[in-house]
Amino acid sequence: EVQLVESGGGLVQPGGSLRLSCVASGFTFGNYAMNWARQAPGKRLEWVSGINTNGGETYYADSVKGRVTVSRDNSKDTLYLQVNSLRVEDTAVYYCARWLRSGSSDWFDPWGQGTLVTVSS
Amino acid sequence: QSVLTQPPSASGTPGQRVTISCSGSSSNIGDRTVTWYQHLPGTAPKVLIYGDNHRPSGVPDRFSGSRSGTSASLAIGGLQSEDEADYYCSAWDVRLNAWAFGGGTRLTVL
Repeated sequence: EVQLVESGGGLVQPGGSLRLSCVASGFTFGNYAMNWARQAPGKRLEWVSGINTNGGETYYADSVKGRVTVSRDNSKDTLYLQVNSLRVEDTAVYYCARWLRSGSSDWFDPWGQGTLVTVSS
Repeated sequence: QSVLTQPPSASGTPGQRVTISCSGSSSNIGDRTVTWYQHLPGTAPKVLIYGDNHRPSGVPDRFSGSRSGTSASLAIGGLQSEDEADYYCSAWDVRLNAWAFGGGTRLTVL
């Protein structure tokens, strides 16, 4: 079964840092680009970051650029998201998702269950 | 503010057909295919439609998608109570070099 499991969320003070992890199973992790997205309480889904298969290309939403670094370790089937200078507005459930491509079509499937990050003093 | 625009809410009665719209621009929907996701609170989002109108295996044929110009739509036929959820459209934006999501549409089955 294809599965993604996020971890690393928790309560952090404003200005703090956190590293989120996403462990993949059921597929050859190194063959797929990956993404992070988030949903703040009562808000819409928001894409955060993406990374290609070997980590050589990364993409970031303007809202997090400069504070977030996405990376991956294909030997450990694991995707990471380092978030620095955390703000209250970063409070959200963070999801990882596999990036699928077929011809000219791109989409995310599957998504993990998410890990909650709460930024509060 | 979302790059892609969706109505915040939609509703219908069981058995009815409902359509949810998604409006974008030439740099996203006008250039790339659209994906639709279903999201129930507390669960992982699930892909309903990819590549504008393709259903992954396991998604009922009650769900269909279309794209024209800079707009797309998701149609749900034979509405069921379990269809109550949030629905999001998404497309790659070639100008932003980033994924764009709509603001989400909360579907209520009356």
